[in-house]
Amino acid sequence: SQKIEQNSEALNIQEGKTATLTCNYTNYSPAYLQWYRQDPGRGPVFLLLIRENEKEKRKERLKVTFDTTLKQSLFHITASQPADSATYLCALGQRGGGNKLTFGTGTQLKVEL
Amino acid sequence: DSGVTQTPKHLITATGQRVTLRCSPRSGDLSVYWYQQSLDQGLQFLIQYYNGEERAKGNILERFSAQQFPDLHSELNLSSLELGDSALYFCASSPIDRAAYNSPLHFGNGTRLTVT
Repeated sequence: SQKIEQNSEALNIQEGKTATLTCNYTNYSPAYLQWYRQDPGRGPVFLLLIRENEKEKRKERLKVTFDTTLKQSLFHITASQPADSATYLCALGQRGGGNKLTFGTGTQLKVEL
Repeated sequence: DSGVTQTPKHLITATGQRVTLRCSPRSGDLSVYWYQQSLDQGLQFLIQYYNGEERAKGNILERFSAQQFPDLHSELNLSSLELGDSALYFCASSPIDRAAYNSPLHFGNGTRLTVT
């Protein structure tokens, strides 16, 4: 069966460190992958998109990698700040899969002072 | 602010009832997507409309239906409500008809539905 797995446990890190979040998938052939941030009681907010033929994308303190052999994406936040505390969702857009994004359940990140 | 407006923000109703959730997409966006988010299931895709036509369907129950009107706003109708329908319902919009390479989704802040 198809699965998108993200760290189910909350990730706690110290301010200034790099946070690394994992998204693993099985039985998918994603054409692209997107990362979103979601704060409590709010809708997800788009952060980064990476295509299947791209290895890495960066935007300011954010970096995402995409390894279609390992079926994994890693999302990095460098120099993390307490304001980065949120739930981060990965979402797959499947080749030939129509018009929907399929989301993982998210990883809660807490950045402590 | 994503530019996507959802009303109402909160809705409390009883089992067996019917409710309508409303979504206004970002200006210029032709596609509207509906997602359900519950604690144990995460974000589940329900249905997508593009310029008034249904484009994709997910795990949407037969008790649920949606439509997109000529002014591009959308409504999600939930009927014969059950306790398990309690969730956050999100609407998202994008400019084109597929969540394509350069088209992230812009989400509203959801409607929290509580069925008692």
